[in-house]
Amino acid sequence: DTAVSQTPKYLVTQMGNDKSIKCEQNLGHDTMYWYKQDSKKFLKIMFSYNNKELIINETVPNRFSPKSPDKAHLNLHINSLELGDSAVYFCASSQTLLAGGRYNEQFFGPGTRLTVL
Amino acid sequence: SQKIEQNSEALNIQEGKTATLTCNYTNYSPAYLQWYRQDPGRGPVFLLLIRENEKEKRKERLKVTFDTTLKQSLFHITASQPADSATYLCARGAGFQKLVFGTGTRLLVSP
Repeated sequence: DTAVSQTPKYLVTQMGNDKSIKCEQNLGHDTMYWYKQDSKKFLKIMFSYNNKELIINETVPNRFSPKSPDKAHLNLHINSLELGDSAVYFCASSQTLLAGGRYNEQFFGPGTRLTVL
Repeated sequence: SQKIEQNSEALNIQEGKTATLTCNYTNYSPAYLQWYRQDPGRGPVFLLLIRENEKEKRKERLKVTFDTTLKQSLFHITASQPADSATYLCARGAGFQKLVFGTGTRLLVSP
C-alpha cells in the first residue's frame, strides 16, 4: 500500500562512482519530482516530469540524469559522485489538475540518504 | 527571485497551548502556499494548502492564514500535543509547479 517508494533507503559509496536511485508511485499521478535535502535540511527541487516529459530542470550538474520509463517511475542516475552530493534525496508525485480546477498536494517518498566517502 | 523564509530557531511550547509558526515571502504573492510536516528520517507530509484569495483555511486543530499585505502565512496548531513535535515546512506552488520550500521551523511540544 505504499504510495511513493524509493530504493535504496541508504546508499554509501566512494567518490567517482556512478549510482542510481529508483522511485515508484502507485497513486496514478501524472507528475513526479526529485528533491535534494542538504545537511541544513533545506529541501530543493531538482527535476520534475509530467507524463514522462521533463518539465522542470533546475541548475543541477550534468552528472545528474533523471529517467522516467513510465508515469509511475522516475529514476535518478548520478555519475562521478562527489562529496558534495551527500544528502537525502526525495522523490515526490502529484496530480496536476483535479476536477474543478483543484491543484493537489505533493506526496513524498521516504527519502534515500546518500553518503559519498 | 521570490524567497520563502521561516524562523530557523526551534519553537518550544507547552502541551495544550497554541503553536504559531510564521512563513514570510518576498516580492510578489504566490498563488498558493502549502504547509508540510516532516519527522526525522521521513519525507514531508502535506497538511494544508491555501490560495492567495483565501484568508484562512482550517483542518481539525490546524489553521493557516494568508495575509498578502504582510506577505505572510501563519500556521496554527491549537491544543498542541507532544505528537505535534516535528519540523514544519512552508512552500509556494501547487500542481506541477515546482515547490519552493522555506528552511522549516522545528516545533517542540513538551508535556
